[in-house]
Amino acid sequence: NAGVTQTPKFQVLKTGQSMTLQCAQDMNHEYMSWYRQDPGMGLRLIHYSVGAGITDQGEVPNGYNVSRSTTEDFPLRLLSAAPSQTSVYFCASSLSSGNYEQYFGPGTRLTVT
Amino acid sequence: QQQVKQSPQSLIVQKGGISIINCAYENTAFDYFPWYQQFPGKGPALLIAIRPDVSEKKEGRFTISFNKSAKQFSLHIMDSQPGDSATYFCAAAGSARQLTFGSGTQLTVLP
Repeated sequence: NAGVTQTPKFQVLKTGQSMTLQCAQDMNHEYMSWYRQDPGMGLRLIHYSVGAGITDQGEVPNGYNVSRSTTEDFPLRLLSAAPSQTSVYFCASSLSSGNYEQYFGPGTRLTVT
Repeated sequence: QQQVKQSPQSLIVQKGGISIINCAYENTAFDYFPWYQQFPGKGPALLIAIRPDVSEKKEGRFTISFNKSAKQFSLHIMDSQPGDSATYFCAAAGSARQLTFGSGTQLTVLP
């Protein structure tokens, strides 16, 4: 099993550009989520999904969109990048929403200039 | 509003010493308290977790102490090793199953 994979590892965007961060898991996990990690602030939940076709907002959803068309994939879209979205983004998954143990991907470091 | 407060921000310990990281929470509905370990360039990984029906949980050199009345929990790393040097995050979750993370502690264990 590859676990949770994320692409790209690094990305630089100009303000106003759009892009999609990819996340995939091969563990047949129902629950997937996106976090951003900023210095001194820990990890903050952006969006999450409890299964294919079901998504919901987390603590900091503004500026981000998600969809979950398959169990395996959970892409995060930035519609119009802003410098405030410069961060490290982590995707995570767990067996179900009732299972607390989350497995994290390696992260995507995004810089918006 | 930060629901999980973590301290210290950084910690330097000699090899063989005890590392102690503390967290305090506000939401009494939290019922799951994990600790995650993160190495540079990697994603966080679950280290150890506790539920509020026990006051202590030990796994090898890692121990969680939990004080429900004080709404505090802590991670103790016994016989700290240079390989333990990493960033540690406490977290908490309630019935919604969403993890709320502390701000992290950067641990350095000197050889």
